Amino acid sequence: GAVVSQHPSRVICKSGTSVKIECRSLDFQATTMFWYRQFPKQSLMLMATSNEGSKATYEQGVEKDKFLINHASLTLSTLTVTSAHPEDSSFYICSARTANRGDTQYFGPGTRLTVL
Amino acid sequence: RKEVEQDPGPFNVPEGATVAFNCTYSNSASQSFFWYRQDCRKEPKLLMSVYSSGNEDGRFTAQLNRASQYISLLIRDSKLSDSATYLCVAPPGGTYKYIFGTGTRLKVLA
Repeated sequence: GAVVSQHPSRVICKSGTSVKIECRSLDFQATTMFWYRQFPKQSLMLMATSNEGSKATYEQGVEKDKFLINHASLTLSTLTVTSAHPEDSSFYICSARTANRGDTQYFGPGTRLTVL
Repeated sequence: RKEVEQDPGPFNVPEGATVAFNCTYSNSASQSFFWYRQDCRKEPKLLMSVYSSGNEDGRFTAQLNRASQYISLLIRDSKLSDSATYLCVAPPGGTYKYIFGTGTRLKVLA
């Protein structure tokens, strides 16, 4: 159990466009979902934490107007990268946590974003 | 000081060797700890949680040393398939946020 999916797995877009990434918990209700970003040869950096029905909490240095997070249900969170630029190219990974499994987070397979 | 620190490696070891990694954390209020494994261009996968009493899962053993604020991962009888980056996680106390270390890269050589 505890499967998390992400869509799309890979996206290439032109500079200035917006890209939406979906994260779904398939077999459990996610109390909290998290969005991470990973640049080549670096570790995962937490971008934001989102709870269903409330505004996301962004980490320091992450622009909330650029990275829009919507957590409309207990099984779906979306991250929209608005007006993407080449420096936004990265591996975006979501994770989900459920209250009855403590602190363990289950990760989606990630979305590789390339902005031309 | 970084919140979670790991030696990035790489650790190059022959098949069958025993290898150990340490990870130090700075937040003394951290209560739970995890080791994740990440293969190249893939998402992290939970390897094991780290309990106060230590825990073992087959060839893998994790230990926690609260006094010195570090956790360790021991891999016995290394396999080629163990080659990956091992990420240490120490959520700050009172939160569910994961703070990842930089990861330690392991290469098991034939």
